[in-house]
Amino acid sequence: AQTVTQSQPEMSVQEAETVTLSCTYDTSENNYYLFWYKQPPSRQMILVIRQEAYKQQNATENRFSVNFQKAAKSFSLKISDSQLGDTAMYFCAFMKRMGGNEKLTFGTGTRLTIIP
Amino acid sequence: DAGVIQSPRHEVTEMGQEVTLRCKPISGHNSLFWYRQTMMRGLELLIYFNNNVPIDDSGMPEDRFSAKMPNASFSTLKIQPSEPRDSAVYFCASSSLIFSEQFFGPGTRLTVL
Repeated sequence: AQTVTQSQPEMSVQEAETVTLSCTYDTSENNYYLFWYKQPPSRQMILVIRQEAYKQQNATENRFSVNFQKAAKSFSLKISDSQLGDTAMYFCAFMKRMGGNEKLTFGTGTRLTIIP
Repeated sequence: DAGVIQSPRHEVTEMGQEVTLRCKPISGHNSLFWYRQTMMRGLELLIYFNNNVPIDDSGMPEDRFSAKMPNASFSTLKIQPSEPRDSAVYFCASSSLIFSEQFFGPGTRLTVL
């Protein structure tokens, strides 16, 4: 079974600064996807970024980028030029790519607060 | 597209009552997922369907929970009888292709008194 660990329950950072959220995972699979989802106070789950394990290049989406270290099973999220609207819970998630199993396994989340 | 639609958004009921949560996936998506979110257990998958067929229901807590997907545009999650420990936010999500990202609905906040 896969496990996803987010070791930072809470973080805070000043507006416009850069922040990095940590995620590690454990799996015996070789082909899989990793995701970061954002859950603001509205509780809507919003996909932030995704990474395919077979791709060596780190994914980027505007101010959001990841540092994917497959050998270390690490998948951190960097938010640059943080904005007040980035305040939310952030969940790291794992999904196997083979076998037809589309189940997402989530970490426990990191509560990020952007301070004005 | 309107996104994944869930109803009701909030449900308050008394212990022992039947509760039915509803979900309309994004048109054209062929996979549908039911998740539950609680403070104690976080986000956990209850069941998912591919092409209206249940694939994995190992996350369904017990026989009090049941889910159906009678067609590609509608699914229900039923709890009968409900208990206070069922209080949680229930999310429905859908995806268009195997191994694709999942799009979540706004969730239903269920409170069982």
